[in-house]
Amino acid sequence: DSGVTQTPKHLITATGQRVTLRCSPRSGDLSVYWYQQSLDQGLQFLIQYYNGEERAKGNILERFSAQQFPDLHSELNLSSLELGDSALYFCASSVESRGEAFFGQGTRLTVV
Amino acid sequence: GQQVMQIPQYQHVQEGEDFTTYCNSSTTLSNIQWYKQRPGGHPVFLIQLVKSGEVKKQKRLTFQFGEAKKNSSLHITATQTTDVGTYFCAGRETSGSRLTFGEGTQLTVNP
Repeated sequence: DSGVTQTPKHLITATGQRVTLRCSPRSGDLSVYWYQQSLDQGLQFLIQYYNGEERAKGNILERFSAQQFPDLHSELNLSSLELGDSALYFCASSVESRGEAFFGQGTRLTVV
Repeated sequence: GQQVMQIPQYQHVQEGEDFTTYCNSSTTLSNIQWYKQRPGGHPVFLIQLVKSGEVKKQKRLTFQFGEAKKNSSLHITATQTTDVGTYFCAGRETSGSRLTFGEGTQLTVNP
């Protein structure tokens, strides 16, 4: 158990819908990362937050947004969903912005 | 933007054979990390290399960071079936904190 909690574990939704994925980092970790992993693919960096502020941004679509709240949990919002958005979404956390990352179990999103 | 490339994409070995995966970054890195993802699992941190030319060992695993801090390798000696999984390198850029993963090398070990 990495100490990073992601909910829900599985999500099935229809095209055009909006979903919110939630991540609770390890206790004491200030940095949160979001990654997208499509089937048998690598980990595509989406976005990173540090202590509530956006620290780095990857190839995140405009339909996607994220935020980190004062209690340090983070949410990834995906809207106007398309079939191609089906993937495993991982959240990871680290103590500071440059340390080792601890990954959650992921949320498997299926868009039908 | 920063790109991290990893080869090979797949590697099939017989148990007992050695295995190596290579990682190259388009830019100089602050540090490089290695992760292992078992089938159906999540990436798990293995090690971090920070210094130019650094070599670290963990039992049968040897990690190297290049002199120019742009490339790295992971070598496994005498593979075992428990080594099965996908090995990812992840580079931390010098100018920020973005952690970019390579495409990973999927290792299968035949008993």
